[in-house]
Parts: sequence; structure tokens; C-alpha cells
Amino acid sequence: DQQVKQNSPSLSVQEGRISILNCDYTNSMFDYFLWYKKYPAEGPTFLISISSIKDKNEDGRFTVFLNKSAKHLSLHIVPSQPGDSAVYFCAASAQGGSEKLVFGKGTKLTVNP
Amino acid sequence: DAGVIQSPRHEVTEMGQEVTLRCKLISGHNSLFWYRQTMMRGLELLIYFNNNVPIDDSGMPEDRFSAKMPNASFSTLKIQPSEPRDSAVYFCASSFTRRNTEAFFGQGTRLTVV
Repeated sequence: DQQVKQNSPSLSVQEGRISILNCDYTNSMFDYFLWYKKYPAEGPTFLISISSIKDKNEDGRFTVFLNKSAKHLSLHIVPSQPGDSAVYFCAASAQGGSEKLVFGKGTKLTVNP
Repeated sequence: DAGVIQSPRHEVTEMGQEVTLRCKLISGHNSLFWYRQTMMRGLELLIYFNNNVPIDDSGMPEDRFSAKMPNASFSTLKIQPSEPRDSAVYFCASSFTRRNTEAFFGQGTRLTVV
């Protein structure tokens, strides 16, 4: 049973436009959510996170939105750059992140010049 | 800090052989996670430790897999005997147990069992 779902395996956008990556979760105990970015042959690297007490967190070009009632979060990248091309993983955890991270299967983002 | 260090980066072994993957945590971190990445299942948690104690090993596929933390900064994941279906990229990650913190990943070990 997948507790964290990323239903879009891939996404392609033009440079300068907005990229929106989506993630759904089923476990109501999750209270901390993270996005990781992964380049080929490298480990995932942390990008941005959000606690369940917030509905938005922004860091430069990256914004994560959380809709607890819908059990849905999204990552917005504006403007998208070719260097953003990577696989993006959504992850969730209980107890404020001190419990194990459960990952989605990832969305491959391609930003075309 | 050099980050989470995994070795080897690549391992090719024959079916039936023992394989040992190694991981050095970031200094000061007290949680350790082993993940496996495959095309079919994505990133799945195999086991995680907190303060050297295994907390959840429900993701360990079967008895052929074992993980240890002989000390606070080092962990091994052993597969004995290995099978072709174990071929995957294995990641180790570490974190410091506190609220609202992320885990840091190593670069992974790509295991191929032929």
C-alpha cells in the first residue's frame, strides 16, 4: 500500500515557465513533508520541507503548498531552469520528521531550453 | 563535513555470493536509514536505526538481508546469499533526531547480481 503517491512519472516544461509537481498521501499521521531532488548517479538531496502547521513554505524559486484536508502537497518551481531537470521525490514523516521518511516513486522533470 | 559516505559505489557479484555495503554517517547524526531504489518500487525503506538500535526493519525483504551498526558512525548492510533480484541502487541516509529535520543521503551503491 503506497502511502505517498506521485501520480505523474514525468513532466516537461519550457524554461522560464512554472513547474508544478504533485504528491498525495494517505496516512493522516504524517505531519512533516519534504521534497528531494535527484540527479543521475547521485543520492537524493533535500530541497524544501513543510510542517503540517503551515500551508505554504517558500525558498527562492521553490514553494511547497500543503492542503491537509485533501492530503495533497505540491511543489512549484518558478521560473524553471534547465538545471532543475531531475527526478523529484516527495516524502512524508510522522512526529515532526523524527520518524522514518516514506517516499513517493518520483516525478522526472525535464526543463527544455 | 564530507557528508554520508557509502562504499563501494558499484558492486558486481555472482549469484550466491555475500555482499556487504558500507555507510559512514554524518558526524553527530543519530538516525540511520537504508533505502533501496528500483524502477518498480521506487525508494523503499529497508531498515532504520536510532541511537544504534534497529527501530523498524519491516522493509527488509527476507532473512538474506541483515544490517548492523557496530558503532554510532558506521553501518553495514549484508546480503547473503545474493540473488539477481537484489540488483538495485542502495542508499544510506542519516539525520539528527529532532523535529522538522531532513535526512541526508549518500551517493548510493549500485549493486548488480549476475
